[in-house]
Amino acid sequence: DIQLTQSPSSLSASVGDRVTITCQASQDISNYLNWYQKKPGKAPSLLIYDASNLKTGVPSRFSGRGSGTDFTFTITGLQPEDIATYYCQHYHNVPYTFGQGTRLDIK
Amino acid sequence: QITLKESGPTLVKPTQTLTLTCDLSGFSLTTSGEGVAWIRQPPGKGLEWLALIYGDDDKRYSPLLRSRLTITKGTSKNQVVLTLTNADPTDTATYYCARRGDLWGMWFDPWGQGAQVTVSS
Repeated sequence: DIQLTQSPSSLSASVGDRVTITCQASQDISNYLNWYQKKPGKAPSLLIYDASNLKTGVPSRFSGRGSGTDFTFTITGLQPEDIATYYCQHYHNVPYTFGQGTRLDIK
Repeated sequence: QITLKESGPTLVKPTQTLTLTCDLSGFSLTTSGEGVAWIRQPPGKGLEWLALIYGDDDKRYSPLLRSRLTITKGTSKNQVVLTLTNADPTDTATYYCARRGDLWGMWFDPWGQGAQVTVSS
């Protein structure tokens, strides 16, 4: 199975900050990497697909990049409503595993 | 508008079979590119992909749980059913169904609201 390792596991940042989360795959997954936001008590929601494509309607402060084994997810200009846990997910093959999550809160 | 909604028991005893239903609205699981997945999240833990069924009835399973899982279409084309046999307290989780978000890729969008299941005697 392909393992996805996210870092950091948690971070605190201030409103307006630029926040970056990394996701490293245990083998080459091309660009088959997606990012989700999960808020407590809510279902996860898709933000980025195929490593760098922003889902329609998602604010442009969210972005992603990468290919192969190394990926990054960035929030440029953190907003209070961005407090959540963020997950990467690959679909190179079955099982479509998720990273362990990065919990983001406000300083 | 596309929506999914999970339903099922909130409490299951160990060794029993857990059956969850996902009601689909705004789309039907009838074409080969369409797909619906089940994903769960144990309390305080991360997301775990469980299974996927395509519109042509092709199926994929997590190898870790393959022997205990069955995913099928329900009696109507607008339902997907997940069965997990021999339930264990480690199966306690919120179970989500989600639509395959694209005919070519494999992202999940949208998701249902989730169904909380506790496995306990």
